Amino acid sequence: GESVGLHLPTLSVQEGDNSIINCAYSNSASDYFIWYKQESGKGPQFIIDIRSNMDKRQGQRVTVLLNKTVKHLSLQIAATQPGDSAVYFCAENRRGSQGNLIFGKGTKLSVKP
Amino acid sequence: NAGVTQTPKFRVLKTGQSMTLLCAQDMNHEYMYWYRQDPGMGLRLIHYSVGEGTTAKGEVPDGYNVSRLKKQNFLLGLESAAPSQTSVYFCASSYSIRVGTEAFFGQGTRLTVV
Repeated sequence: GESVGLHLPTLSVQEGDNSIINCAYSNSASDYFIWYKQESGKGPQFIIDIRSNMDKRQGQRVTVLLNKTVKHLSLQIAATQPGDSAVYFCAENRRGSQGNLIFGKGTKLSVKP
Repeated sequence: NAGVTQTPKFRVLKTGQSMTLLCAQDMNHEYMYWYRQDPGMGLRLIHYSVGEGTTAKGEVPDGYNVSRLKKQNFLLGLESAAPSQTSVYFCASSYSIRVGTEAFFGQGTRLTVV
């Protein structure tokens, strides 16, 4: 049948609240994960990364959690601001893939003032 | 420091026409990549290069060719454009493929094939 356009999952949060964006990955051989932020009309921008030998990493207002048991990655943004509104992608690097990042479909974060 | 620069930013092609997208980076990176981004999908790798004079196929290489004659430039060519190639194209570069190396992206080229 005719394919239907896919819509991005959307997360809407109030300014000042914490945001949690989730990502599932499929390949247990993935050894490195990155979160990218993409604002409208711009290229993806690196936010934070984590290696597979870690389960948590913190940056400025952002935390990435990795659960290898269930192949799940999450990005937590503290005190979300209007400038955080964007599409967020997780990407995984599969061991031996020569840097070929596999991107997820993305989640659109909307911050209400 | 401009980072990764893509030209053009927008282009409309007729089916069957050819064009070349240019990516330039001024960070002396060895590795360069071309991705396409379609609505509701993540970025998919078209071709990549691990150094001057070398190229390799990514996930969706059909209908595209690339060249890396100079370290700082990575060209993406469409020999005979098709409507299925309507997409936003992103170039990226990194100094290594080792785990933990950040890739820097350009602003994108929005291509429409009619």
